[in-house]
Amino acid sequence: GESVGLHLPTLSVQEGDNSIINCAYSNSASDYFIWYKQESGKGPQFIIDIRSNMDKRQGQRVTVLLNKTVKHLSLQIAATQPGDSAVYFCAEIPREAGTALIFGKGTTLSVSS
Amino acid sequence: DSGVTQTPKHLITATGQRVTLRCSPRSEDLSVYWYQQSLDQGLQFLIHYYNGEERAKGNILERFSAQQFPDLHSELNLSSLELGDSALYFCASSPGSGLGEQFFGPGTRLTVL
Repeated sequence: GESVGLHLPTLSVQEGDNSIINCAYSNSASDYFIWYKQESGKGPQFIIDIRSNMDKRQGQRVTVLLNKTVKHLSLQIAATQPGDSAVYFCAEIPREAGTALIFGKGTTLSVSS
Repeated sequence: DSGVTQTPKHLITATGQRVTLRCSPRSEDLSVYWYQQSLDQGLQFLIHYYNGEERAKGNILERFSAQQFPDLHSELNLSSLELGDSALYFCASSPGSGLGEQFFGPGTRLTVL
């Protein structure tokens, strides 16, 4: 089975709202987590990453939270814009997988203006 | 633009045939990863090469093979194609072999008829 999954397949928000995309992972030995955004017809694009020794990391308009106790990862997008509409994937690197990314199924974020 | 290039962009072929997908990593990136994206399986890791050597294998079928050449470009060979091999194939590259962001190419869409 898959190692990483997302709670909701779709999320619809209004422009300007904050978005929260959740992800549950199953491998407690994972060292590294990453969020990617994939727009239609394009390859995944890096958003933000976090290592297992951190709980929170902030980027420009995005924050990733890692809760190792419940094996939960979330991506928060502040002031969501129509250009944020895409599929969002969380991925992990379990120690036994070398450096290959193990992806969840993705959440489609739709932003309406 | 990630700096990773993939050719061809689209490929249509018949069952039983063999195809070669090509990937040029970002300049000076030594690692190349191949991923398959299908509707039912999501994004799945296939294989990882670092500086010409195979580093890890994921869910790669025996009908599939890959190599990384001295100039660091990589090819993914798919043979005895089946309908179920229709998917998007992505190449990603990274500077080293450790944890970190992987830069994805635009993908090759393979359709097997």
